[in-house]
Amino acid sequence: GAVVSQHPSWVICKSGTSVKIECRSLDFQATTMFWYRQFPKQSLMLMATSNEGSKATYEQGVEKDKFLINHASLTLSTLTVTSAHPEDSSFYICSAESGHSASYEQYFGPGTRLTVT
Amino acid sequence: SQQGEEDPQALSIQEGENATMNCSYKTSINNLQWYRQNSGRGLVHLILIRSNEREKHSGRLRVTLDTSKKSSSLLITASRAADTASYFCATDRGTGNQFYFGTGTSLTVIP
Repeated sequence: GAVVSQHPSWVICKSGTSVKIECRSLDFQATTMFWYRQFPKQSLMLMATSNEGSKATYEQGVEKDKFLINHASLTLSTLTVTSAHPEDSSFYICSAESGHSASYEQYFGPGTRLTVT
Repeated sequence: SQQGEEDPQALSIQEGENATMNCSYKTSINNLQWYRQNSGRGLVHLILIRSNEREKHSGRLRVTLDTSKKSSSLLITASRAADTASYFCATDRGTGNQFYFGTGTSLTVIP
């Protein structure tokens, strides 16, 4: 159980375009979802925390107008990278936390590799 | 920085040997978790240890936590080639459910 999917698994886009990444919890309801980005051979950096039905909370240094997060339902959160630039190329990973989890264990998606040309 | 530090950054061992990796963090925590990541993939949760626990076992994994030193270690015994991956520790803020990841240890197990 506790499966999280991401779509697409990889995407290549031109500079200036916007890209939407979906994160879904398949077999549980996720009251909270998290978005991370990871550069090659580096750790995961938390970008934002999103709670269903409310605005996302962004970490310091993350542009909220650049990375739009929507958590419209208990099983879906989306990250839209607006006006993408080559420096936005990265591995984006979401995770989801069940509202019933007392241990704060997060279930991670398989990631989305974004390449901006 | 929000990240913890892990050492070593890279570790290469022979199959059958034990692998130990360490994680240090900066602020008080409620719990610490270890994750594994195969190259270019998502993360797999390995083990969670709470701040009031000192040691925890799961199969070939042994995790220790020393809150006075703000450090944790992950021991993988009798390593296998399939254990080759990056290993990250993750700590909570102490007041919420956000996690901050350490810098990671890249483990290579040579068959």
